[in-house]
Amino acid sequence: AQSVSQHNHHVILSEAASLELGCNYSYGGTVNLFWYVQYPGQHLQLLLKYFSGDPLVKGIKGFEAEFIKSKFSFNLRKPSVQWSDTAEYFCAVEPGTASKLTFGTGTRLQVTL
Amino acid sequence: GAGVSQTPSNKVTEKGKYVELRCDPISGHTALYWYRQSLGQGPEFLIYFQGTGAADDSGLPNDRFFAVRPEGSVSTLKIQRTERGDSAVYLCASSFDGGSNEQYFGPGTRLTVT
Repeated sequence: AQSVSQHNHHVILSEAASLELGCNYSYGGTVNLFWYVQYPGQHLQLLLKYFSGDPLVKGIKGFEAEFIKSKFSFNLRKPSVQWSDTAEYFCAVEPGTASKLTFGTGTRLQVTL
Repeated sequence: GAGVSQTPSNKVTEKGKYVELRCDPISGHTALYWYRQSLGQGPEFLIYFQGTGAADDSGLPNDRFFAVRPEGSVSTLKIQRTERGDSAVYLCASSFDGGSNEQYFGPGTRLTVT
């Protein structure tokens, strides 16, 4: 069975700092990769996704992620965070053959002014 | 348009009781998913419907859990003989056609078993 690891559980950054959240997965076959975000009091929403093609994908609100197949990684980045980026971020993997997501445990990002 | 809705938003029940949780997917979405999110964890897959049928129920933890989607739209997750360990947020998601289409999540039902 596939698994997803998010090594950063809680990250605190000042506004304008750069962000990188790690995500590694274990699955030998083709995968679809996702980052979801959950703002305080809101439901999960999609930030960005990778299915195929260019391994550098851009999402909403200035976020991007890079798929590195050899490292089984899909790290999330943002050059300059804002206070409004305070949220919980989840990496998720979907095997190419199945319609179900396996999520990591999440990273809580706190951005201070 | 309207998103995925779930009712109730909160449910408190006593150990041993039966509960039903309802999900209303986005209109026109044929695929529907249930996930469970325990405190400090990411969502965990329970079951996936394509239309009226359960295409994958491999995530249901045991036979106390059952879900239906009789008309291919609204789905109900049913939990019998609830246990304290069932306390979690139960999330529903829908997508246009399953496969690689984006899953849209509802706000969840927070279930507390006392």
